[in-house]
Amino acid sequence: GQNIDQPTEMTATEGAIVQINCTYQTSGFNGLFWYQQHAGEAPTFLSYNVLDGLEEKGRFSSFLSRSKGYSYLLLKELQMKDSASYLCAVRETTDSWGKLQFGAGTQVVVTP
Amino acid sequence: NAGVTQTPKFQVLKTGQSMTLQCAQDMNHEYMSWYRQDPGMGLRLIHYSVGAGITDQGEVPNGYNVSRSTTEDFPLRLLSAAPSQTSVYFCASSRGRADEQFFGPGTRLTVL
Repeated sequence: GQNIDQPTEMTATEGAIVQINCTYQTSGFNGLFWYQQHAGEAPTFLSYNVLDGLEEKGRFSSFLSRSKGYSYLLLKELQMKDSASYLCAVRETTDSWGKLQFGAGTQVVVTP
Repeated sequence: NAGVTQTPKFQVLKTGQSMTLQCAQDMNHEYMSWYRQDPGMGLRLIHYSVGAGITDQGEVPNGYNVSRSTTEDFPLRLLSAAPSQTSVYFCASSRGRADEQFFGPGTRLTVL
């Protein structure tokens, strides 16, 4: 099994940068996903990390350190539309399918 | 492509009633799964399937049944609804075990 921890809520100003941390403990690791979920909507894929390092995709970047069981999602040049919940999800290696285990999500509130 | 579709969008049941939540995808994905999402708890896996005719239990399978007779469809059956099953249910699909999951729009279920 695994535990996934991320902050419950973060507030930031439009145009600023916010970093959402995710720590995990797992018996096996086979990748980490970040999803964005707006209120009342389905989660949508943002990024995937399986090797250590930084993955950059426009205003969003995701970092992974497997030895530390740690990832972060960096949101730059925040826009009002970035107000959403951000879900960290870890895939285990011990399962033939590789089920995803989700964290509870971090609610990001962007203020004018 | 419609992606992942779910019906109904909203449903109210009385305790003890049964019903089926429908899920279909038109992306020819082998992997499909059902999650429930409750406040503060993140997405929890109910059942999943790695292909037609193959299903397995997730983290919270009690009170739910699934079947996968075709690649496209993956219905979730509530056998005897209980208030504890009040939740938002998401169906998801992915091409392979390490690929991103695509989520349906969700079904908001209330059990009275």
